[in-house]
Amino acid sequence: DAKTTQPTSMDCAEGRAANLPCNHSTISGNEYVYWYRQIHSQGPQYIIHGLKNNETNEMASLIITEDRKSSTLILPHATLRDTAVYYCIEGSSGTYKYIFGTGTRLKVLA
Amino acid sequence: DAGVIQSPRHEVTEMGQEVTLRCKPISGHDYLFWYRQTMMRGLELLIYFNNNVPIDDSGMPEDRFSAKMPNASFSTLKIQPSEPRDSAVYFCASSLYPRAGGSYNEQFFGPGTRLTVL
Repeated sequence: DAKTTQPTSMDCAEGRAANLPCNHSTISGNEYVYWYRQIHSQGPQYIIHGLKNNETNEMASLIITEDRKSSTLILPHATLRDTAVYYCIEGSSGTYKYIFGTGTRLKVLA
Repeated sequence: DAGVIQSPRHEVTEMGQEVTLRCKPISGHDYLFWYRQTMMRGLELLIYFNNNVPIDDSGMPEDRFSAKMPNASFSTLKIQPSEPRDSAVYFCASSLYPRAGGSYNEQFFGPGTRLTVL
């Protein structure tokens, strides 16, 4: 079973920030948090990852709480093309098994 | 780079037939993964290889499923005999082992093979 929990679905207005939460209360010290997204009919696509510091790249920002039990993926200016299922995954750098949960279905509205 | 290549993109077969799905990972990647995605069970890891050697096949549902990686640039997932409940989208992914100082194993997914077993 997936070790993370996410809301089933969210809506966001185009141009606004999309904030996608994830709970990973069982995460251990050496486990990273990875975010992937899957646009309809395509393979999942890596977005960002983090261990304990906040991270930012050209796609998104990742905010991890100090206790590391939850995180938030932020898409700063959502576009229609960001409509997808977003997965939050715990993963150890020593293993390569991703356990995908059900993810959050984000719909960006025009 | 062309990314992970999978073939065929769509496969329709009849129950009892053998099905072979193919994957070409990104050149130079050390790891190769096979996933299955269904509405009921979501995205599941079936098996993964490191340097062509199967590391964990605990996700392979039954003996009807087998996977091979004869060389670094090719892998197959075979279902024999196929059943209607095997209908799903099968994804192949590859990743590069983190080099010194690296920390993460981003997986690159192929476009998937949509399998329909009648």
